[in-house]
Amino acid sequence: EVQLLESGGALVQPGGSLRLSCAASGSSVSTSAMSWVRQAPGKGLEWVSVIYNDGVTTYYGDSVKGRFSISRDSSKNTLSLQMNSLRAEDTAVYYCAKNGHYTFDVWGQGTMVTVSS
Amino acid sequence: QSALTQPPSASGSPGQSITISCTGTSSDVGAYDYVSWFQQHPGKAPKLLIYEVFKRPSGVPDRFSASKSGTTASLTVSGLQAEDEADYYCISNIGSKNWVFGTGTKVTVL
Repeated sequence: EVQLLESGGALVQPGGSLRLSCAASGSSVSTSAMSWVRQAPGKGLEWVSVIYNDGVTTYYGDSVKGRFSISRDSSKNTLSLQMNSLRAEDTAVYYCAKNGHYTFDVWGQGTMVTVSS
Repeated sequence: QSALTQPPSASGSPGQSITISCTGTSSDVGAYDYVSWFQQHPGKAPKLLIYEVFKRPSGVPDRFSASKSGTTASLTVSGLQAEDEADYYCISNIGSKNWVFGTGTKVTVL
């Protein structure tokens, strides 16, 4: 079964940038659509972005559109999320997840991003 | 796209059953049979309980069941156990490019 491990979370100032990574094992990131989902402290879940099997088709939630960019590296079997122009409201635990059955069937353990001065 | 509406909390004694509702609109829950449910314990990643309205992944106990009627989906937990105490979220896929989550329900086992 696929396992996902996120990394890259950190404390960053407003307006700054950060790149998150998600290493997959047990399966290729290229065989399934992959997503990022986030959860602000004490809040609910919010879908952020998806990249489809073709590696080209990507979509973003309205709150991150134009600032975040999702990508994958098949040779390293990793999923990435480049986050620019970060805002306080982007503070959250970021989970990478494998898409399946029109939902998210495998999740990583999450990585914390804090945007604060 | 607005979040799906769930009751903030639900509770029951061990052995009892509880049902959590998830109300959307004709554009999300009512339009697609792609509602799923997740369980999340504190500090842990969400775990998939139900997909495509009522289907259970392997390993999920049959104490968890779900259904949908119109714009409202429901999750029922039968034979409530202490380990069922967690947050529960519904989610609806609304086409290939968007998903909307529910507001979440905190389940307490009395």
